[in-house]
Amino acid sequence: SQKIEQNSEALNIQEGKTATLTCNYTNYSPAYLQWYRQDPGRGPVFLLLIRENEKEKRKERLKVTFDTTLKQSLFHITASQPADSATYLCALIRSSNTGKLIFGQGTTLQVKP
Amino acid sequence: SQTIHQWPATLVQPVGSPLSLECTVEGTSNPNLYWYRQAAGRGLQLLFYSVGIGQISSEVPQNLSASRPQDRQFILSSKKLLLSDSGFYLCAWSTYYSGSKTRVAKNIQYFGAGTRLSVL
Repeated sequence: SQKIEQNSEALNIQEGKTATLTCNYTNYSPAYLQWYRQDPGRGPVFLLLIRENEKEKRKERLKVTFDTTLKQSLFHITASQPADSATYLCALIRSSNTGKLIFGQGTTLQVKP
Repeated sequence: SQTIHQWPATLVQPVGSPLSLECTVEGTSNPNLYWYRQAAGRGLQLLFYSVGIGQISSEVPQNLSASRPQDRQFILSSKKLLLSDSGFYLCAWSTYYSGSKTRVAKNIQYFGAGTRLSVL
């Protein structure tokens, strides 16, 4: 069955450093992959989408890569700030007709000042 | 612009009581609608989705049901709550996006603020 895995351990980094989060998937060939941010007690918020034919996507301090050979996406936050502390979820589409997504369990990032 | 409303934000219910959570979307037509449950420290579990009025698909067997009486209204219900129904419930919507040159199904999901349900 289709499976997405994110590092369940929290990632703790110092302010100003680059945070790198990993998303691996199996038994799947998605056309694109999405990343969401979720703050405690809130709903996820969409951040970035990358297509299978794109190697890299950037938005301000965020960068996402997509390696369909490795079946992996990396999510980078450069010059991290304490305000970046949150849980980050990756998601793959299960069905383009229904828009159903499979979400990873998320990785919690803690940026310390 | 599109907005999604979900209420209540917090709910404490006794075991065996009924449940009704409501979600409405504004600013878009014929959205795909979703109900998720998120256990503490866990990922999102899709419970129901709907591609149109009266069309409901269930993802997992459970004590809950969903209905879509209007295009932009999605309701999550239970006749008798169980302890295991406690959790964080999220409603979301998405739409099929057509690019100007190519049809690209982006299907980005937009979430409500969530309802924290405690069954005691």
